[in-house]
Amino acid sequence: EAQVTQNPRYLITVTGKKLTVTCSQNMNHEYMSWYRQDPGLGLRQIYYSMNVEVTDKGDVPEGYKVSRKEKRNFPLILESPSPNQTSLYFCASSALPPGTTSNQPQHFGDGTRLSIL
Amino acid sequence: AQKVTQAQTEISVVEKEDVTLDCVYETRDTTYYLFWYKQPPSGELVFLIRRNSFDEQNEISGRYSWNFQKSTSSFNFTITASQVVDSAVYFCALSEGAGNKLTFGGGTRVLVKP
Repeated sequence: EAQVTQNPRYLITVTGKKLTVTCSQNMNHEYMSWYRQDPGLGLRQIYYSMNVEVTDKGDVPEGYKVSRKEKRNFPLILESPSPNQTSLYFCASSALPPGTTSNQPQHFGDGTRLSIL
Repeated sequence: AQKVTQAQTEISVVEKEDVTLDCVYETRDTTYYLFWYKQPPSGELVFLIRRNSFDEQNEISGRYSWNFQKSTSSFNFTITASQVVDSAVYFCALSEGAGNKLTFGGGTRVLVKP
C-alpha cells in the first residue's frame, strides 16, 4: 500500500530537548515536504526536498532542520524546540514538485502532533 | 509571492443544502496550479482536485464542483446537496509554475448538521 509514514504521531516534550520526527514514503517519490498546521493559518511549508541531498527552505524554516540522505526518508529535526513550535506537522511526498504539469497529487502522512512545554 | 485567501473560516449548513467555499489567490506567474484538499475530523489530508491556470473549464465530480475564474483570481468549490460526511476543513492551495512550494489558504471549516 502506497503511504507516507510519520513517527511519532503524538509527542509532548520540553523546551530545548532535541527531537526528530521521521517521515518515510514507499512510492519512490523524488519530492518530499514538511508542513505545519496552525489554527487559522492553514498549512505552511517548512522545508522541501527535490531529491536526495537537495533540500530548500519553505516559508517558515526557522528553528527546523531537515536531511535527505535516502530517497525514502525525510526527517524533521528540532534542535532546540520552543513552545511556539507546538503544532500539527505533516509530511508529504509526490513524484514531482507541485508546480509541474504532471497531475500527481501530494500524498500526506497522518500528521504528528507536537506539544512543547 | 504567492498567496491564498479563504475568507470564510466556518460555514454551517443543514443537510441537503448547497455550500460554496471561496478561494482567492494571488500570483505574478501566468502558469500556476490550484488545489483543493479536504481534512475530515480524523485529521488526514485528502486530495480533491488539481487545476492548471490554462484550463478554465469548470469541473464537476459527483456532488462536488469547482468554478475557476482567472478574471477574479478565484477557484471556488461547491458541495451540492451536502451530507454529514462532508463535515471537514477544506483547504485551497496554490503552486506557481515550475515552483517547488505549495501555499495553502487558512482553511474553511464546514459543519453539516443532520
